[in-house]
Amino acid sequence: EAGVAQSPRYKIIEKRQSVAFWCNPISGHATLYWYQQILGQGPKLLIQFQNNGVVDDSQLPKDRFSAERLKGVDSTLKIQPAKLEDSAVYLCASSPQGFAEAFFGQGTRLTVV
Amino acid sequence: SQQGEEDPQALSIQEGENATMNCSYKTSINNLQWYRQNSGRGLVHLILIRSNEREKHSGRLRVTLDTSKKSSSLLITASRAADTASYFCATDASGSARQLTFGSGTQLTVLP
Repeated sequence: EAGVAQSPRYKIIEKRQSVAFWCNPISGHATLYWYQQILGQGPKLLIQFQNNGVVDDSQLPKDRFSAERLKGVDSTLKIQPAKLEDSAVYLCASSPQGFAEAFFGQGTRLTVV
Repeated sequence: SQQGEEDPQALSIQEGENATMNCSYKTSINNLQWYRQNSGRGLVHLILIRSNEREKHSGRLRVTLDTSKKSSSLLITASRAADTASYFCATDASGSARQLTFGSGTQLTVLP
């Protein structure tokens, strides 16, 4: 079974630029999560999708962050414009419906300079 | 916001010793999960314990859950250098939209 795929693995941008991350979850997984992990901290949930609907985006800074899940499969997370404090690893995860574990991708390490 | 808080923040032990990490959380849960993260990598699921379970084993891992105290512990027996990683607890809160909320993690170092 293929795992969660994320790209790119690394990205360096200047502040005020825009950036997009892509995630392909495990086939058939209804739930998709985007997390932000700042160095030395635990992952913080940004947005959660159930199929192609948003279930929770309460911690997503909506003035600069946006996310979509196309046809309930792939997802993109965008930051525009980026700030220095957005430097972090962005993790995508998916899980099947029900009380289940989440499967994580390798993450995208974003550095904003 | 982070639901779980791990304790200790960092732990250093010798190979062969046991490692115990604790997690406290704030709200009622459906289940509690433990994950491992090697440096620069994604998280890997270790074990899930449901709210009606008190103890669960998987290989060298033993997890306990005390819902009255809103706490859990992860025990790794006979640790190996390869167990060096960060360990996170994550709670699946009751009545929510099935959020999976992570704690701040314990950095475990196993010395050869």
